Amino acid sequence: DSGVTQTPKHLITATGQRVTLRCSPRSGDLSVYWYQQSLDQGLQFLIQYYNGEERAKGNILERFSAQQFPDLHSELNLSSLELGDSALYFCASSADGLAGGLQDTQYFGPGTRLTVL
Amino acid sequence: GQNIDQPTEMTATEGAIVQINCTYQTSGFNGLFWYQQHAGEAPTFLSYNVLDGLEEKGRFSSFLSRSKGYSYLLLKELQMKDSASYLCAVSGTGGFKTIFGAGTRLFVKA
Repeated sequence: DSGVTQTPKHLITATGQRVTLRCSPRSGDLSVYWYQQSLDQGLQFLIQYYNGEERAKGNILERFSAQQFPDLHSELNLSSLELGDSALYFCASSADGLAGGLQDTQYFGPGTRLTVL
Repeated sequence: GQNIDQPTEMTATEGAIVQINCTYQTSGFNGLFWYQQHAGEAPTFLSYNVLDGLEEKGRFSSFLSRSKGYSYLLLKELQMKDSASYLCAVSGTGGFKTIFGAGTRLFVKA
């Protein structure tokens, strides 16, 4: 158990819909990262937040947005869903995410499996 | 630009030793991570190297050469449960985020 929690575990929805994925980081961690992993593909970095502020952005679609709240939990919002958005979505947290080094070790949550029908 | 290369797949025999290589080109370097990911599960942290040399942790060891932009993960006494993807990730400096390689899928056969 990494200490990172994600809800829900599974989500099945239809094209055109909007969903929200939730992540609670490990206690004390300030950075939260979101990744997308399609079947048999590598991790695609979406976005990173540090202490409530957006820190880095990857290949995140305009239909996707995220935020980190004052209690440091984060939500990833996916809208106008398409079949190709079906994937595992992982949240990870790290102690820092700014200083680099061992404090950048990312601990991953169990993921949310999104299926768009 | 930033780039990490790993072999796509490897196959090894139970009880043997396997070496998974990773080469990287990044703007700034502040450490290299190895993660293990079983199919359908979350990646889990295995090791971290920031200085040149070998770090040993039980059956797993990780090596780094910063001048060559090269690392490897060595797995000894392979077990069936070691069948997984192994991800190399590099942490940069100056606000550069950690970048993950595509991963090497290891198949351990009996």
